[in-house]
Amino acid sequence: GAVVSQHPSWVICKSGTSVKIECRSLDFQATTMFWYRQFPKQSLMLMATSNEGSKATYEQGVEKDKFLINHASLTLSTLTVTSAHPEDSSFYICSASPLEIVGHTQYFGPGTRLTVL
Amino acid sequence: GDSVTQMEGPVTLSEEAFLTINCTYTATGYPSLFWYVQYPGEGLQLLLKATKADDKGSNKGFEATYRKETTSFHLEKGSVQVSDSAVYFCALSMYNNNDMRFGAGTRLTVKP
Repeated sequence: GAVVSQHPSWVICKSGTSVKIECRSLDFQATTMFWYRQFPKQSLMLMATSNEGSKATYEQGVEKDKFLINHASLTLSTLTVTSAHPEDSSFYICSASPLEIVGHTQYFGPGTRLTVL
Repeated sequence: GDSVTQMEGPVTLSEEAFLTINCTYTATGYPSLFWYVQYPGEGLQLLLKATKADDKGSNKGFEATYRKETTSFHLEKGSVQVSDSAVYFCALSMYNNNDMRFGAGTRLTVKP
């Protein structure tokens, strides 16, 4: 089946530092990858849509200079949280849509828990 | 805006009990509806979906019917197992993948 991995699974960093999270589709190519954020006991909130070879599309209220997204290949997208602060602490989840399957199919990674001290 | 509201947990059941997790939606058009499941330490997996009114999605003994009149998509299973313990998310999507809206998730624990 379609597998999406994320690395790291958890990270603790100091305030002011930057953190990079990787999202990989392991056995399929993904034209589109999505980044979500989940606060405790709350919904997954879509942050941005990442298309290979083009700039990411950010949802309203998401700072693009704060959350840098790069989708350099059909199997890899990265999210960099720049100058992280405690309020950025959250669970970040990516998903990917396979190249050959159309319509409403997203495969999710296991998530990355970020804690900013 | 378009949104999903689902029953908050946690829900604790004994093995072989009947399960219902309520989900209602608000949408300006005609969404596709989904249930995702997240097992401990794993990513979200699509459990079932329905793309139009009166459709019934089913998988692994779980069922949900798209009810336009009540704007609902309740998840049911007649006899739960310990292995069903997970977090369940209701979600909707309008027109394309980009617009996936999730409920808060419901944690289910099934005890032997």
